[in-house]
Amino acid sequence: AQSVAQPEDQVNVAEGNPLTVKCTYSVSGNPYLFWYVQYPNRGLQFLLKYITGDNLVKGSYGFEAEFNKSQTSFHLKKPSALVSDSALYFCAVRDMRDSSYKLIFGSGTRLLVRP
Amino acid sequence: DSGVTQTPKHLITATGQRVTLRCSPRSGDLSVYWYQQSLDQGLQFLIQYYNGEERAKGNILERFSAQQFPDLHSELNLSSLELGDSALYFCASSVEGHRGRDTQYFGPGTRLTVL
Repeated sequence: AQSVAQPEDQVNVAEGNPLTVKCTYSVSGNPYLFWYVQYPNRGLQFLLKYITGDNLVKGSYGFEAEFNKSQTSFHLKKPSALVSDSALYFCAVRDMRDSSYKLIFGSGTRLLVRP
Repeated sequence: DSGVTQTPKHLITATGQRVTLRCSPRSGDLSVYWYQQSLDQGLQFLIQYYNGEERAKGNILERFSAQQFPDLHSELNLSSLELGDSALYFCASSVEGHRGRDTQYFGPGTRLTVL
C-alpha cells in the first residue's frame, strides 16, 4: 500500500537559518512526489514535484527538495528561512502504476520560523 | 490563486441534512478530485472524475456522491450528515494528459460544520 510519513509534527527554526522538513514514502512502483503548503484558512499551494531526472528539484519561494531513492525520502529544504514561511507543509506521493492518479498525503508538518 | 474555485466557503448545517459543494476546475483541466481534510483523518482522497466520468474512488462514504457535468464543473453531495462529517473539503483539478505527471491544483476549500 502507498503511504507517506512526515515524522515531525512541528519544526522550529530561526529566521535566516536553513530549514528541512522530512518526508519518507512507500509505494509499489516508482513514485511521483509532491510538496504542498497550506496557510491558515487557505487551500493547498503547490511548491514542487519530482517526476524523473535530477534528484534535486527546485520549486517556488526558494524551496527545494532532494529525492533519495535508496532512503525513500523526499525532504524539503530552504537555505534561509523567512518568518512568512511559517505554515503547514504536506508531502504527497502518487504511484506511477495507479491509474487514478490520486495523491496520498502525509500527516503534515507545521513549520514555525521565529524572528 | 490556483484558478480552482469552490463554493460556498463555509457551510453550517444540522445533522441529518443534505448539502452540495461545488467546484469549478482550472480552464482546460479535465480531471477533478475531491479530498477531505479532518483533524483525525488528515487529508484523504474521496473521488475522482475525468471528463465527466468517475475514474476512481477512495474512502468515500455511501452517503456521499459526486458528479462532473459537461462544462466540467463538479459537485459533491453529502447526505444524512453526521457530526463527524465536519471537515474541510477540497477540490483539485489537473489536465491528466501526461500519465500522472500533472500537478493537482487545489481550490480554497469549503469548510463544513455539522451541528
